[in-house]
Amino acid sequence: NAGVTQTPKFQVLKTGQSMTLQCAQDMNHNSMYWYRQDPGMGLRLIYYSASEGTTDKGEVPNGYNVSRLNKREFSLRLESAAPSQTSVYFCASSALTGIQNQPQHFGDGTRLSIL
Amino acid sequence: RKEVEQDPGPFNVPEGATVAFNCTYSNSASQSFFWYRQDCRKEPKLLMSVYSSGNEDGRFTAQLNRASQYISLLIRDSKLSDSATYLCAPSGSARQLTFGSGTQLTVLP
Repeated sequence: NAGVTQTPKFQVLKTGQSMTLQCAQDMNHNSMYWYRQDPGMGLRLIYYSASEGTTDKGEVPNGYNVSRLNKREFSLRLESAAPSQTSVYFCASSALTGIQNQPQHFGDGTRLSIL
Repeated sequence: RKEVEQDPGPFNVPEGATVAFNCTYSNSASQSFFWYRQDCRKEPKLLMSVYSSGNEDGRFTAQLNRASQYISLLIRDSKLSDSATYLCAPSGSARQLTFGSGTQLTVLP
């Protein structure tokens, strides 16, 4: 089983460039998440999607947009990359919803550097 | 007070030892709780879920104390392969989804 698949695994951007991180899950999960992880900061939620067509801001949404066009895929877009967005990005999914919410499966991560 | 707090460690224990970590949380409405392990430069992996007072899975036991708002993870008979960072996370609605910063465990031969 593939689980949660993220692409790309590594990316280097220049300040001001845009890019989209792709994420797909094959477990028919409703909930999907985007996190960033920085040294000493732990995992911080960027955006959450409870189902196709719905998204909610997390703790650190500024500078990001997301799209949940179907149940499988949840993409994260950086419109104008900034050095502060250098981080490791994890996509995750879960069969849990509502107040029982937390991710169950994570992708391998995307290591993003902004120069 | 942070929403989720963990002792960062590091905890260095010999093989075969018993070790316990605590995690305190501030959202009293959280109904379920999760422990994850994360190896260096890898993704987090769900280790255990706790929905009532506790849960046990082999050498791992998670306990919940709602009155004091903390969850604990006990690892018995530590193995070298248990070396990792352990993250805790209480459940919640979208804006309440928070992870602790993690506790680093190193099991020594």
